[in-house]
Amino acid sequence: GAGVSQSPSNKVTEKGKDVELRCDPISGHTALYWYRQSLGQGLEFLIYFQGNSAPDKSGLPSDRFSAERTGGSVSTLTIQRTQQEDSAVYLCASSRQALNTEAFFGQGTRLTVV
Amino acid sequence: SQQGEEDPQALSIQEGENATMNCSYKTSINNLQWYRQNSGRGLVHLILIRSNEREKHSGRLRVTLDTSKKSSSLLITASRAADTASYFCATLGGGADGLTFGKGTHLIIQP
Repeated sequence: GAGVSQSPSNKVTEKGKDVELRCDPISGHTALYWYRQSLGQGLEFLIYFQGNSAPDKSGLPSDRFSAERTGGSVSTLTIQRTQQEDSAVYLCASSRQALNTEAFFGQGTRLTVV
Repeated sequence: SQQGEEDPQALSIQEGENATMNCSYKTSINNLQWYRQNSGRGLVHLILIRSNEREKHSGRLRVTLDTSKKSSSLLITASRAADTASYFCATLGGGADGLTFGKGTHLIIQP
């Protein structure tokens, strides 16, 4: 595709429900990143994939958060038993490789937990 | 965890003036990147400077890197109202760490 695509763009969910956020990276990009951004704040690193493997899972806030990437392409971020503090914009980015290349961002998924 | 830290957190200047933002980081890096974000959505890459480079230019942007002080600066010359945005520095370490961002500088250009 032309850029990184994230879906849905907006999601409102009830507290306690599970949500799944999707990221379609640019074709051929081996590195994929997930970040979370609360209103007016910086980017909080969540997880990074190199191919299908995640060398760095340290940023996941709790065991309710998980992510996978299959076929070195699409990634899903799953939040189980959502809480109100999970409300944020979830941003995905991909890059051709991890080193010495720029990251391209999707427009994000705005998650609101009510 | 946050690697970079931008300074100032907010900056308001008149159109036509130059804007300077700083970034400090803690660990050794492979490269440092600057990004821009409008309206709290996707970020756009501005410029990448490698650890063995000291200065880089792109249009009205000038980036410096001082690895001895673990700091970088982004200068936007002849600012325009359209430059109003949040600016983030991001660092890539040499290990398995992902690209980590600072908290950003919110720049407002007064017309």
